[in-house]
Amino acid sequence: EIVLTQSPATLSLSPGERATLSCRASQSVSSYLAWYQQKPGQAPRLLIYDASNRATGIPARFSGSGSGTDFTLTISSLEPEDFAVYYCQQRSNWFTFGPGTKVDIK
Amino acid sequence: QVQLQESGPGLVKPSQTLSLTCTVSGGSISSGGYYWSWIRQHPGKGLEWIGYIYYSGSTYYNPSLKSRVTISVDTSKNQFSLKLSSVTAADTAVYYCARDDYDYDAFDIWGQGTMVTVSS
Repeated sequence: EIVLTQSPATLSLSPGERATLSCRASQSVSSYLAWYQQKPGQAPRLLIYDASNRATGIPARFSGSGSGTDFTLTISSLEPEDFAVYYCQQRSNWFTFGPGTKVDIK
Repeated sequence: QVQLQESGPGLVKPSQTLSLTCTVSGGSISSGGYYWSWIRQHPGKGLEWIGYIYYSGSTYYNPSLKSRVTISVDTSKNQFSLKLSSVTAADTAVYYCARDDYDYDAFDIWGQGTMVTVSS
């Protein structure tokens, strides 16, 4: 099983600041890495697929990078609606998710 | 656009079988290029993929749950279903159905989720 580790567990930032979230895989997943946003009481929403491609309708302030074992989700300037939990997910070897990073308001 | 909706009992007794159905609307489950998955989220925890099915009936399950999971599809009703046997309190979770777009290698459409509690 490929284990995904996300850091930090919690990121406290103010609106307008830049958020940098990390996801590390226990072995290479090539570029088969996706990012999701989840707000309380809602289903996750796909943000990024194949490490760096924005899903339909996702604002340009969200960007993804990386390959192999190290990946980054960047939110260039936080909007109020961006405060949520973010999960990474791999599909190189069935599907596993990371434990999540909570982005909360400082 | 395609929407998914989970349905089924919200309370299941220990040792019994959890049964849920996902109804697909706005598109055909028989469209190629998509796998139809079940994913669960324990209260306050992360996400766990349970398994998927293709419209043809081929399945793939999470090895950690494989012995207890059956996913089936009914193309005439545009539905797919989950059965999880011998449930315990550890199976209490929000259960989501989701579409895995093969081109995206990711879950692009999700149902709203349904809470299932295992308790006597």
